[in-house]
Amino acid sequence: GAVVSQHPSWVICKSGTSVKIECRSLDFQATTMFWYRQFPKQSLMLMATSNEGSKATYEQGVEKDKFLINHASLTLSTLTVTSAHPEDSSFYICSASGQRFYEQYFGPGTRLTVT
Amino acid sequence: GQQVMQIPQYQHVQEGEDFTTYCNSSTTLSNIQWYKQRPGGHPVFLIQLVKSGEVKKQKRLTFQFGEAKKNSSLHITATQTTDVGTYFCAAPGPTPLVFGKGTRLSVIA
Repeated sequence: GAVVSQHPSWVICKSGTSVKIECRSLDFQATTMFWYRQFPKQSLMLMATSNEGSKATYEQGVEKDKFLINHASLTLSTLTVTSAHPEDSSFYICSASGQRFYEQYFGPGTRLTVT
Repeated sequence: GQQVMQIPQYQHVQEGEDFTTYCNSSTTLSNIQWYKQRPGGHPVFLIQLVKSGEVKKQKRLTFQFGEAKKNSSLHITATQTTDVGTYFCAAPGPTPLVFGKGTRLSVIA
């Protein structure tokens, strides 16, 4: 149990375009979902926390208007990178927590390359 | 803010040797978690430690939480090639979970 899927697994887009990444909890209801960013050989940096039906809480330094997060249901959260630039290229990982809120289940990640 | 310092950054071991990674905090932690991330993969939850002095084992992995709840360690006995990856500790902080920088383990067969 506790499977989180992420789509797409990788995407290449042109500078200036927008990219949407989906995160789904497949076999449990995720009260909270988290979006992380990970640069090569570095740790995970939390970007934002989202709860179903409410606005996401963004971490300091993360642009709300650039990284749009929508948590429309207990099983789906989306991250949209708007007007992407090459410096947005990274590995984006979502995670979800359910009843055992301390345990986070990570999606497989989405590798974004902006050309 | 809350920081979790993890050492070493890298560790190369011969297969069969032991491996230990350490996590330290300047403040008392309510709990600490450990994750493993295989190369190209995503973090996978291993365990959570909550009690002072707690020791938990998962096969060849031994997790410890310090008496003062400011440090933790993960020890792997007789490493295997399947142990390769980055091991992260994580603890609640200003954000729901603050990750250490991780220890990248490589195992030479």
